[in-house]
Amino acid sequence: DQQVKQNSPSLSVQEGRISILNCDYTNSMFDYFLWYKKYPAEGPTFLISISSIKDKNEDGRFTVFLNKSAKHLSLHIVPSQPGDSAVYFCAASKAGTASKLTFGTGTRLQVTL
Amino acid sequence: EAQVTQNPRYLITVTGKKLTVTCSQNMNHEYMSWYRQDPGLGLRQIYYSMNVEVTDKGDVPEGYKVSRKEKRNFPLILESPSPNQTSLYFCASSPWSDNSPLHFGNGTRLTVT
Repeated sequence: DQQVKQNSPSLSVQEGRISILNCDYTNSMFDYFLWYKKYPAEGPTFLISISSIKDKNEDGRFTVFLNKSAKHLSLHIVPSQPGDSAVYFCAASKAGTASKLTFGTGTRLQVTL
Repeated sequence: EAQVTQNPRYLITVTGKKLTVTCSQNMNHEYMSWYRQDPGLGLRQIYYSMNVEVTDKGDVPEGYKVSRKEKRNFPLILESPSPNQTSLYFCASSPWSDNSPLHFGNGTRLTVT
């Protein structure tokens, strides 16, 4: 039972354009959401997070949007750069357990020149 | 440098031969966890530990053991590995406070023949 879903296994975007990565969840107990980025031969690294009391969080070129009623979040990267090419994992946790994460299956982003 | 260190990075073994993957962190984190990454399944939690001598099962604990005798170390033990445990394994740690994100090691690729 996949409680966190990333339905697009891959995405290709031109450099300078916007990348939008999507994530859906089914468990209404999740209230904290994170995005991790993973390069080949490395572990995932934390990118950005959002609490369920917010609907948007921004950090430089990265913005995460949360739609609680739709149980949907998205990561926007603007502008996309070749160094953003990686696998992006969406993750969710329940109240007070930000370390115990449930991960999605990942989306491979390729930013082309 | 703050880091989570896993060893070995690559391991090929045969069915039934006991093995241990070590994990060590130098950030004085209370929380440590093991994940496995498989194609199409994302990252799934195997075991976690909230402090020394405190461990608990994650979502896929069958066939694995862990121990937490010291705060910095959290080894993953496969008593009798089987081919379905061929996977990419990640150790992670966090301070377990204020929604602090997990810090991951660089992974151990295990092949069981």
